[in-house]
Amino acid sequence: QKEVEQDPGPLSVPEGAIVSLNCTYSNSAFQYFMWYRQYSRKGPELLMYTYSSGNKEDGRFTAQVDKSSKYISLFIRDSQPSDSATYLCAMSSSSNYQLIWGAGTKLIIKP
Amino acid sequence: DTAVSQTPKYLVTQMGNDKSIKCEQNLGHDTMYWYKQDSKKFLKIMFSYNNKELIINETVPNRFSPKSPDKAHLNLHINSLELGDSAVYFCASSQDRQVPQQYFGPGTRLTVL
Repeated sequence: QKEVEQDPGPLSVPEGAIVSLNCTYSNSAFQYFMWYRQYSRKGPELLMYTYSSGNKEDGRFTAQVDKSSKYISLFIRDSQPSDSATYLCAMSSSSNYQLIWGAGTKLIIKP
Repeated sequence: DTAVSQTPKYLVTQMGNDKSIKCEQNLGHDTMYWYKQDSKKFLKIMFSYNNKELIINETVPNRFSPKSPDKAHLNLHINSLELGDSAVYFCASSQDRQVPQQYFGPGTRLTVL
């Protein structure tokens, strides 16, 4: 079993929909949670960073961490075709800051 | 004013050749990384340097050798290239080894023929 599980998709939704992207993990020591966005033929770009549990909002993006369920989510409101990309989750613990990555979910927003 | 830059962007070469990829960051970060991303988009850490000191050295063939001349630069040299080395290689940096947020370069797409 991988430490971080992420459905590779693709996930295809119509423009304007609310998108939910998720990762599950097995290591209860993880405390730092990140979402990266990667456009085709580009490098991953840090989108959201959350420490421990709770929610964080930035514009149309909301990151949620549920440590009791070992589950993190990224919500995108009012999705746009420009949101079409691969979204990767990554996490680490305070004893080992090396990032553990999900496989990435390919998101397609249809105009 | 690119934060993390890599050269070259594309590299096409024959099996058995030796090649190098260069990375530079102007963020003032102490820690730099090399990742390999395969065709399924999975990111695999290869090496990490903190202030020119090697701190992560994952199970990578000896043909791969990183070098950090100073904390702003991290190069990757690959000897005797094999078909399986074809991938996208990303350089990244973080403020220091205890800061998890990493910032990535644009990648080098290596194709071995």
